[in-house]
Amino acid sequence: ETGVTQSPTHLIKTRGQQVTLRCSSQSGHNTVSWYQQALGQGPQFIFQYYREEENGRGNFPPRFSGLQFPNYSSELNVNALELDDSALYLCASSLGWRDAEAFFGQGTRLTVV
Amino acid sequence: DAKTTQPNSMESNEEEPVHLPCNHSTISGTDYIHWYRQLPSQGPEYVIHGLTSNVNNRMASLAIAEDRKSSTLILHRATLRDAAVYYCILSNSGYALNFGKGTSLLVTP
Repeated sequence: ETGVTQSPTHLIKTRGQQVTLRCSSQSGHNTVSWYQQALGQGPQFIFQYYREEENGRGNFPPRFSGLQFPNYSSELNVNALELDDSALYLCASSLGWRDAEAFFGQGTRLTVV
Repeated sequence: DAKTTQPNSMESNEEEPVHLPCNHSTISGTDYIHWYRQLPSQGPEYVIHGLTSNVNNRMASLAIAEDRKSSTLILHRATLRDAAVYYCILSNSGYALNFGKGTSLLVTP
C-alpha cells in the first residue's frame, strides 16, 4: 500500500505568479482534501474533492482552486500569489468523504518572495 | 465547527502515561472528537476519534466526559517518538477538519 505523496517538496515563487501543487492519494481512496499550514499554526481546510467533484470549501478566496482526476490524484492551483500564501500545503486522502481517518502527505513548502 | 481549547504545551517523562486534555464546551450532538498529531517536519497523523463512548486503539485511548464537554487523550507509555503537536478537533464529518494550535508534547528521557 502506497501512502500519500506530494510534489514538489519545496517551491519558491514570485508574488503575482501562479503555482500548481500535486498529490497522489493513497491506493483505494476516492477523497482528497487540501490544507494550508502557516508557520506556527495548525492546518486550515482549503477544500475537499470527492469523486472528482468539489465537496466542501473552507474560507479561502477563489484564486485557490483544485482538480481531482479519474485516478483520484489531485492538484491545488493558486493564482496571483501573495506573500501570505507562503506556507506548508498538505494533502490528505481518505476512503470516503465522511471517513474519520485521513492520511496526510508530507506537504509542499511554498515560499512566495 | 465548535471550538476546542488545549494547553499550549505539556511535558512528560519517557515510559510514563500522558493525559492530554481538551475542552469543547460548545460541542453539538453530532460532533465527533478527533485527535491527530504532527511530528516535526511531517504531515498530521490520525490518532483516534470518538462520539460518546471511550475508545481504545493501538496508539492511544480517548476518554470522553459524560456531558461531552471535555475529553482526554491518553498515551499509556510515552516514548521519545511521541513528542509531537497533538490536535483535538471537532467535526460532524471526517472532513473540513480545522486544526487549532494544539498541544506541544515534550517527552524527556
